[in-house]
Parts: sequence; structure tokens; C-alpha cells
Amino acid sequence: GDSVTQMEGPVTLSEEAFLTINCTYTATGYPSLFWYVQYPGEGLQLLLKATKADDKGSNKGFEATYRKETTSFHLEKGSVQVSDSAVYFCALSDFTGNQFYFGTGTSLTVIP
Amino acid sequence: NAGVTQTPKFQVLKTGQSMTLQCAQDMNHEYMSWYRQDPGMGLRLIHYSVGAGITDQGEVPNGYNVSRSTTEDFPLRLLSAAPSQTSVYFCASSTTPRRGAPLHFGNGTRLTVT
Repeated sequence: GDSVTQMEGPVTLSEEAFLTINCTYTATGYPSLFWYVQYPGEGLQLLLKATKADDKGSNKGFEATYRKETTSFHLEKGSVQVSDSAVYFCALSDFTGNQFYFGTGTSLTVIP
Repeated sequence: NAGVTQTPKFQVLKTGQSMTLQCAQDMNHEYMSWYRQDPGMGLRLIHYSVGAGITDQGEVPNGYNVSRSTTEDFPLRLLSAAPSQTSVYFCASSTTPRRGAPLHFGNGTRLTVT
């Protein structure tokens, strides 16, 4: 079945460091891919998405490119801030759009 | 705009008790779903609905029932709670179930079963 494998955490970075969180997927057909962010005590919020191969999603300085050849959707940010500290989830929706599959989440802490 | 509202925020049950977790959305979304979040396992889909009167099972449906009598509401019922159902539960909704439509999440219900 469909699944998402995400880089284990936790990740601790200094402010202004470069961030990469790896995500690979297994899916039938052509899934849509997402990154969600979760702040303490809150639900998940959409960070960015890509719906077809070679699409790049971007938001708030974060980027991820849908790579069909490597079945990957790695999250990157060039310069992290303390306010980026959160848990990040990679996810896919199947070709029907009805079922979503999430990775296990990566906790990011950014220290000043 | 309230978005997705879940109640209660916290709940403690004894084994064998029943309860209903409430979820309501005011965005006129056709698609609604329930997830549980457990440490080290991410979010797993319990049940989903693509419109009023239509429900279907997700990855982990056992022990849970749902119904969808209106577009706005999608309650999740635990008929006989078990300690394995201790988790954080999230309700999420989306526009018509098509590729690329993201989920909008509520703030969750933390359930403990003793």
C-alpha cells in the first residue's frame, strides 16, 4: 500500500543554519505530496504542497520538489529561525484524494 | 471563521465506557476525516466521509464508528473504550475529494483510557 518514510528526529539547529528533512514515498499512481507543520498543542497546518512531478511547493522560505524518479519530497530552508521550531510531517494523498498517509514526523528545534 | 472545531479538548475514560468525539466545520467542505496520532507512528486514518450519508474505513477503523448526517458534523464514536485507544485524535476536512486538496485540521482531542 501507499506509505511515507520520513527522516527521524529530533533535529537541533542553530539559527540561520540550512535545514533539510528527507521524505520518500511509495504510492500507486500519481499521489499529491504535502508538508504539514504542527506547533505544540495545535493541529497540523499545511506548509506547502505539490501535485505533480517536478512541481516545487514553497511557503515562508521552505521549499520541496516532487521528484518522481527518486520518489522523494525533501523539505529545505536556507536559513531557519527560532520560530520554525515545530514538528514537520510529510504526507501524500492517494490518486483518489480520499486517503492521506503521513510520515512519523520530525521534531525541529532551532536555538538562538 | 472558526474552521474545524473539536470537542472536548481532553477526556479520560475507563475501559469499557463509550463516548463520542465531536467535530464540526463551517467551511462547507464535503470531505471530512478522523486521525489518531501516536508517538513514533505519525497520523493514521480511522474513517473518512466524502459527503453527507457516505462514510468509509481508513487504515485503523476497528473500535470506532462514524456517521455523517450533515455536511458540517462528523462525530467519532468509541463504543467500548480500550487502553489501546489512548491517543490524540484529530478531525480534518477538505474541499471536494480531488487530487491536491489539502486537509484543514482541528486542534485535537487528547483521550486517555484507564
